[in-house]
Amino acid sequence: SQQGEEDPQALSIQEGENATMNCSYKTSINNLQWYRQNSGRGLVHLILIRSNEREKHSGRLRVTLDTSKKSSSLLITASRAADTASYFCATDNTGKLIFGQGTTLQVKP
Amino acid sequence: DAMVIQNPRYQVTQFGKPVTLSCSQTLNHNVMYWYQQKSSQAPKLLFHYYDKDFNNEADTPDNFQSRRPNTSFCFLDIRSPGLGDAAMYLCATSRGDSGISQETQYFGPGTRLLVL
Repeated sequence: SQQGEEDPQALSIQEGENATMNCSYKTSINNLQWYRQNSGRGLVHLILIRSNEREKHSGRLRVTLDTSKKSSSLLITASRAADTASYFCATDNTGKLIFGQGTTLQVKP
Repeated sequence: DAMVIQNPRYQVTQFGKPVTLSCSQTLNHNVMYWYQQKSSQAPKLLFHYYDKDFNNEADTPDNFQSRRPNTSFCFLDIRSPGLGDAAMYLCATSRGDSGISQETQYFGPGTRLLVL
């Protein structure tokens, strides 16, 4: 069964706006990771948050983790057209990553 | 600069004709992974190597095999491709210092396989 479920499936915003994507999972985890995938390309690691961490920042990215609710969110602030991509959360609980279905983000110039 | 390289980027094969996809890495990582990603779906792990130790996922079809002749290279062999095997195949690596995957994975650009 799918470990990570993402919401929304698709998101369209204007440049400069913030984008928030959510990820829910079912079992306990060691860490949760967010990846980005441009159309037809490989995945690029964005950020890793460990199970004992609650919030992490990297540039315009902010990730939160709530292990009691088994959920995480990825916030992209001041979005740019170049942020257009699919974003996947991936959970690690057995030493392997299980990816969610992803959120497709479109940022309109 | 390329760290995880996949060749070719696009591969066309015929139904039932064996095909091999290749992956190489310049990171000297212990772990190499193969994922299958179908259109608009999540990447699905097929198998991984921790050094020379091969680990197959329980639901990976027997049609899929892998070889890792050395640290740098890993191959995905599809013995008899079916139409349902058309997908993007992603190779990834990780250091493997602290177990299989409590760390970042580095992905190649993928090989898109088309089965005619």
